[in-house]
Amino acid sequence: QVQLQESGPGLVKPSETLSLTCTVSGDSISSFYWSWIRQPPGKGLEWIGYIYYTGDTNYNPSLKSRVTISVDTSKNQFSLNLSSVTAADTAVYYCAREKILYSYYYMDVWGKGTTVTVSS
Amino acid sequence: DIQMTQSPSSLSASVGDRVTISCRASQDIRNSLDWYQHKPGKAPKLLLYGASRLESGVPSRFSGSGSGTDYTLTISSLQPEDFATYYCQQYYTTPRTFGQGTKVEIK
Repeated sequence: QVQLQESGPGLVKPSETLSLTCTVSGDSISSFYWSWIRQPPGKGLEWIGYIYYTGDTNYNPSLKSRVTISVDTSKNQFSLNLSSVTAADTAVYYCAREKILYSYYYMDVWGKGTTVTVSS
Repeated sequence: DIQMTQSPSSLSASVGDRVTISCRASQDIRNSLDWYQHKPGKAPKLLLYGASRLESGVPSRFSGSGSGTDYTLTISSLQPEDFATYYCQQYYTTPRTFGQGTKVEIK
């Protein structure tokens, strides 16, 4: 059974870089797309971006200038870096696997989420 | 970006009720739509993909329909474990975009 687990600091200072890692267990990261999604307090879900195991990425234009998603196939992990954070980046951050079946795309496995607060 | 608009934003229903949630895209997304269930403190759960295809293990009381810009999630007989927030999400283009969510509450 595939499981995803987010990890990283729960508190980040304004203007610093938020760094999270998602560890994949029960399957190889060397297939599928791997995504980051966030949910600010009291708001809905926002797609941040995804990476393919080859390293190809696609980011939300609203965050593109600040986001980097990377993959480490040797550790079966992928990571999120979000620079120059502000209070607006406070959210629960989820990692997810995006599966492709014929022309269907769907995020079928999610991590439980990790709360990141941006505050001095 | 494709805007996804769900209605209603919230609803109150009783166990056994038939519940319908609508999702409208700002342009034709050609059935490139997924539905998720989200409970507080839990990971979102995939219910349907491709607008109408039921994810493995999801109860058959959940169904999806629609085409073009208009889509619907139906719960045929609401169960206690179904009280949650439901999101539609399009994958026709990037960025992937979600509806704002529909909270299903106990009446």
